[in-house]
Amino acid sequence: QVQLVQSGGEVKKPGASVKVSCKASGYTFNTYGISWVRQAPGQGLEWMGWISPYNGNTNYAQKLQGRVTMATDTSTSTAYMELRSLRSDDTAVYFCARDAEQWLALPYFDSWGQGTLLTVSS
Amino acid sequence: EIVLTESPGTLSLSPGERATLSCRASQSVSNDYLAWYQQKPGQAPRLLIYAASSRATGIPDRFRGSGSGTDFTLTISRLEPEDFAVYYCQQYGSAPFTFGPGTKVDI
Repeated sequence: QVQLVQSGGEVKKPGASVKVSCKASGYTFNTYGISWVRQAPGQGLEWMGWISPYNGNTNYAQKLQGRVTMATDTSTSTAYMELRSLRSDDTAVYFCARDAEQWLALPYFDSWGQGTLLTVSS
Repeated sequence: EIVLTESPGTLSLSPGERATLSCRASQSVSNDYLAWYQQKPGQAPRLLIYAASSRATGIPDRFRGSGSGTDFTLTISRLEPEDFAVYYCQQYGSAPFTFGPGTKVDI
């Protein structure tokens, strides 16, 4: 069965960087896009960006441009999301999520990681 | 950017009742690429509906999606105890692929 397993929670100071991993199993990794979605405490869902493991193409939310980088390692079926210049309002649970349809680059999601809590605090 | 507005913010109902959730887009959603998710506390979202009206694998037929263009609806025909949760719509027709603010269905 499809599984996305994320790295553990992080506590960072403002201005620092964080890198969250998402290890996929149960399917052919490079045939489905991966998005990152975050959820601030008690708030809704925010799409951060998408990456194709097949060719590395990315599409980032404009508000995060310049601060976020998404990457994949097809040899280990792992996706990564790095966020830099952290601020207190980056405190959130970060989810990786797999496109529901193979190859089509339609970012709606049938499988999700368990979430990684990032706390940004001085 | 397409802004999605969900209403009502909270829906207070009882098991067995019908729930009608609305999602309105600030501009037409390309190809009616509109999905609905259910989220329970401490859990990741779960895909219910895609392409406005197609049920995802394993989703009971009491969940029905409808609508097109800018107006979409999720209907839960008879609420089961496990259906009390927050529901989000998401458009994936054009980047950025935005979510609505959510509707909480509670008892």
